[in-house]
Parts: sequence; structure tokens; C-alpha cells
Amino acid sequence: DTGVSQDPRHKITKRGQNVTFRCDPISEHNRLYWYRQTLGQGPEFLTYFQNEAQLEKSRLLSDRFSAERPKGSFSTLEIQRTEQGDSAMYLCASSLRMNTEAFFGQGTRLTVV
Amino acid sequence: AQKITQTQPGMFVQEKEAVTLDCTYDTSDPSYGLFWYKQPSSGEMIFLIYQGSYDQQNATEGRYSLNFQKARKSANLVISASQLGDSAMYFCAMRELNFGNEKLTFGTGTRLTIIP
Repeated sequence: DTGVSQDPRHKITKRGQNVTFRCDPISEHNRLYWYRQTLGQGPEFLTYFQNEAQLEKSRLLSDRFSAERPKGSFSTLEIQRTEQGDSAMYLCASSLRMNTEAFFGQGTRLTVV
Repeated sequence: AQKITQTQPGMFVQEKEAVTLDCTYDTSDPSYGLFWYKQPSSGEMIFLIYQGSYDQQNATEGRYSLNFQKARKSANLVISASQLGDSAMYFCAMRELNFGNEKLTFGTGTRLTIIP
């Protein structure tokens, strides 16, 4: 499979726990994005990497959220001290160049109980 | 600031008929791109079609076409000869094409249901 891969697909966690999600982009894509989608809404931008550099962060990305892309390949998104409001689908996408379409993974659905 | 509005929360269409999904946008940037994505129940966002603000012709991709009316700031998606597999959520999105902006802004989506 040469598409964007996300792991895990589903995560249930207790409030206050830390969680980490992984995204493997399409191999030749140097741009990687994280979005969050809540029920009944479209995806909202969280952050963007070009290679290993994190170039843009949304105000939605509070101090409890951190994202990395250490070698410019896969990326991780960590949420510390999860809250019920963090329950959402977390989508990863990648693209080859600016002004081209982004290809999305199937997402990680997080439920905080 | 860029904004996308999709006013149809849900639509029901008979199989084999054409359907138009509405999208209006707001931006002060003269250079932008408009995208449509399909999201089936599996969750993956599937890219359908792209229209650049300077493109002279409306974009087409197979059964999908984009009715781009720049003066009205609308970018409606037209699906011809609808199929049962077209049942999904559809999102309109925009990116302002200024340097350094990589953010896609999405609308709230339209749930399309194709009736056999």
C-alpha cells in the first residue's frame, strides 16, 4: 500500500492519560499535515511539516499537543493529559509540492472517557 | 481570512441522476485553489477535483466537474450519472496560494445519499 498510513485506527483512553499517534506519509512527499475532525464538522488544520521542520501551527494546538517529524519521514502527534474535548478523528495528510492536492490517511479516532 | 460555506447538510438523489453540491467561499487573496474531497464511512478523505483561481476553464475529472463562478465566489461540484458508491460526505476546501500558507480550510460538508 503506497498511501498515507495512520496507526492506530482507533484509540480509547482515560482522561488524563497521554496518547501518541503515528503517520507514515507517501514516501516521496516532503509535506505532512495534521488535521482534527470533530463530529459533524470538516477537518481543521493543526500543524504542517516540510521535511523535518514544523513550519506552521494552529492556535488549536495547545501546549498539551506536540508533533514531530524527526527524520522528515514519519510523524507523531502526542496529546498529553487528554481531556474529553480531545475526542475526535485525527487525520494526517501529505503532499509533494505546494499547490497540489493533499492525500489523506484513514485517520485515528480518539475517544477520551 | 479564508472561509468555506456548504449550505446543504444532506441530499438524497436517485441513482443515475446528476447532482450538484453547493460551495461558496470567501477570501481577499486573488490567488487561491479550491478542492473537493469525498469522505466515505471508512474515514479517509479522497481527493476528487481541483480548481485554481486563475484557471480559465472549469475543472473536470471523469464524472466530476466543478462549476466555478468567480464573481459569485462559488465552486459547486457536479456529479453526473450518480452511483450507489457515491454515497458519502463531500467537503469543499480552499487554500490561499500565498507563500508559506499550506493550510486547507474546509466547509462543514454535505452528506450525499444515492437511492437505488
